[in-house]
Amino acid sequence: NAGVTQTPKFQVLKTGQSMTLQCAQDMNHNSMYWYRQDPGMGLRLIYYSASEGTTDKGEVPNGYNVSRLNKREFSLRLESAAPSQTSVYFCASSPGQPNTEAFFGQGTRLTVV
Amino acid sequence: GENVEQHPSTLSVQEGDSAVIKCTYSDSASNYFPWYKQELGKRPQLIIDIRSNVGEKKDQRIAVTLNKTAKHFSLHITETQPEDSAVYFCAASKGFQKLVFGTGTRLLVSP
Repeated sequence: NAGVTQTPKFQVLKTGQSMTLQCAQDMNHNSMYWYRQDPGMGLRLIYYSASEGTTDKGEVPNGYNVSRLNKREFSLRLESAAPSQTSVYFCASSPGQPNTEAFFGQGTRLTVV
Repeated sequence: GENVEQHPSTLSVQEGDSAVIKCTYSDSASNYFPWYKQELGKRPQLIIDIRSNVGEKKDQRIAVTLNKTAKHFSLHITETQPEDSAVYFCAASKGFQKLVFGTGTRLLVSP
């Protein structure tokens, strides 16, 4: 059982380049999330998708776009990468019912130079 | 929106001691409070959670308490072991809505 799978695990970008982080879950969960983790800042929500076909902004959406491709997949796109977007990115999913556990992917370490 | 504050940011204890991490939340409508453990280089994983209709929950050496009136909840780890060393995050949410995380506590358990 794979759970939540993110690709790639590591990425180095030059300022201004674009890229898409991929996330897929095989638990038939309704809700999916993208967080970024920076030292001393905890986990901050970038975007989330409560169900297939819907997306909403989180705490730090600027510079990012998302696509809920289907129930399994939720991608995060950086259109023009900036050094401030250097971070570890986590995708997560949950059943979407009230008060349920969120399962995290293994993370993507992104460096923008 | 919801705001979650977590203290302390770092905590060092001797093996066998107890550790307590505290969180406060701002939205009185929040009703779900999970705790996640993140080992170095790994993903966060749920260790215990509590819902607003319960004041305390225990799971072996780990317990969580909730004070809805004061809007704070705490994680208690007894008989700490070196493998408890990690970063711990509290979080809060209401209903179907998104989890808001605290800034994390780095726990170091020395042998």
